[in-house]
Amino acid sequence: GAGVSQTPSNKVTEKGKYVELRCDPISGHTALYWYRQSLGQGPEFLIYFQGTGAADDSGLPNDRFFAVRPEGSVSTLKIQRTERGDSAVYLCASSGRGGYNEQFFGPGTRLTVL
Amino acid sequence: AQKITQTQPGMFVQEKEAVTLDCTYDTSDQSYGLFWYKQPSSGEMIFLIYQGSYDEQNATEGRYSLNFQKARKSANLVISASQLGDSAMYFCAMREDTFTSGTYKYIFGTGTRLKVLA
Repeated sequence: GAGVSQTPSNKVTEKGKYVELRCDPISGHTALYWYRQSLGQGPEFLIYFQGTGAADDSGLPNDRFFAVRPEGSVSTLKIQRTERGDSAVYLCASSGRGGYNEQFFGPGTRLTVL
Repeated sequence: AQKITQTQPGMFVQEKEAVTLDCTYDTSDQSYGLFWYKQPSSGEMIFLIYQGSYDEQNATEGRYSLNFQKARKSANLVISASQLGDSAMYFCAMREDTFTSGTYKYIFGTGTRLKVLA
C-alpha cells in the first residue's frame, strides 16, 4: 500500500488483558515511530525504531509497554495487563532518511480499556 | 519545561481571510527541524510544511507558509485565504537531531483548534 496502515482500527479490551497493535509502514522507510494521543492532546512519543532496533524507547511509560520490529518493516506495540488509563489513540508514523524527513502517519488504533 | 508551546487552544477565522497559528520552541541544539501537521476530525495526521533550522528562507507550500524567527524561537504557521476545509486541529512539532547517534526524535505541541466560519 501507499501509506502507513494500522490494525485494528478499534480495540476494546478489559482491564488486565494483553493487546497487540500493528503498524505497517511505508515501504522503504527505515524509521518508525509510535505515539499515544489522548483526547485534546498532541501525540506523545513512545518509541522510535531505526531498522530493527529501538533507537529511543524513552517514551514508554512503564514495563507493561513493549514494541518490536523484527524484520525492519512491520512493528507491533504490545501492552500487558492493560489499565483504564491506557485508553487512547495509538498512532504510528514512518519516515525516510532514518527519521530526518517528514513523518507519515497511519490512521491510528483507538484502544478502549473497560 | 515545554519544548513546544502552542498558546492558542482555539482560533476562529472568517472564510477567505488569513490566520496565524503560533508556535514557540525551546532547544539549545543548532540542528533541528520544525513541522506543522493538520488533524481533521477523521483523526489522521497530515503533514503540511517543514522548516530546517539552517534554512534562511521561510518555507511555503501553497496556501501555507511558516514564519520562522530563529532568534525568537518561533515558527508560526500562516494560512492564507482560509477555506471551510481548513477547520481542524493543527500541531507544531520539533525534530531533535542527534547526529552522534543518527537519531531523530519528535516532540509535538498541544495543538490549536481552528474553526473557519462561512
